[in-house]
Amino acid sequence: SQTIHQWPATLVQPVGSPLSLECTVEGTSNPNLYWYRQAAGRGLQLLFYSVGIGQISSEVPQNLSASRPQDRQFILSSKKLLLSDSGFYLCAWSVWAGSADTQYFGPGTRLTVL
Amino acid sequence: DQQVKQNSPSLSVQEGRISILNCDYTNSMFDYFLWYKKYPAEGPTFLISISSIKDKNEDGRFTVFLNKSAKHLSLHIVPSQPGDSAVYFCAASEDSGGYQKVTFGTGTKLQVIP
Repeated sequence: SQTIHQWPATLVQPVGSPLSLECTVEGTSNPNLYWYRQAAGRGLQLLFYSVGIGQISSEVPQNLSASRPQDRQFILSSKKLLLSDSGFYLCAWSVWAGSADTQYFGPGTRLTVL
Repeated sequence: DQQVKQNSPSLSVQEGRISILNCDYTNSMFDYFLWYKKYPAEGPTFLISISSIKDKNEDGRFTVFLNKSAKHLSLHIVPSQPGDSAVYFCAASEDSGGYQKVTFGTGTKLQVIP
């Protein structure tokens, strides 16, 4: 069966510091991978998606970046965090199946920028 | 512009009764709809989905109804149980040049009262 891991679970970082969040998927090959953010009291906002190694698309301009160095590894980074980067970050995976593309989420990382 | 809307931020229902969660969308290109359940500090869990070619999909206590002409879908939970208390996200997807882009609503917090 497929599993998705995210770490760390919680993170408190000062403004201006760098960020690296990691996501790995097991039990599937060539998944689509996604990074979402849920800000307090809001829905899920798609930040990045990737359909393959080295292929990253950004949905929202920001000071975050994403990389996919391996098939089942997705990394979210920032060189300098802003207060507005605080939120709950979720990684998700999916495998295209005809007309259906159900995304499955990891446990999330709670990021607080002080 | 919010393409997927959940106009009720919260809902309270007595245990054993029916819970009805509603969702409206504006994009006629959406062809696949999903419901996710989310507990605090956890990633969303896929609950049930429906293709745009259907108007009903049932899975145990959960039924999703789709009214394409009204651009409206709903999730029915019967009978409601205290463990159903969570935030429910409606989501809709469309073909976006090689992958299915999923747009989430802002969520409805369901409280099932014992």
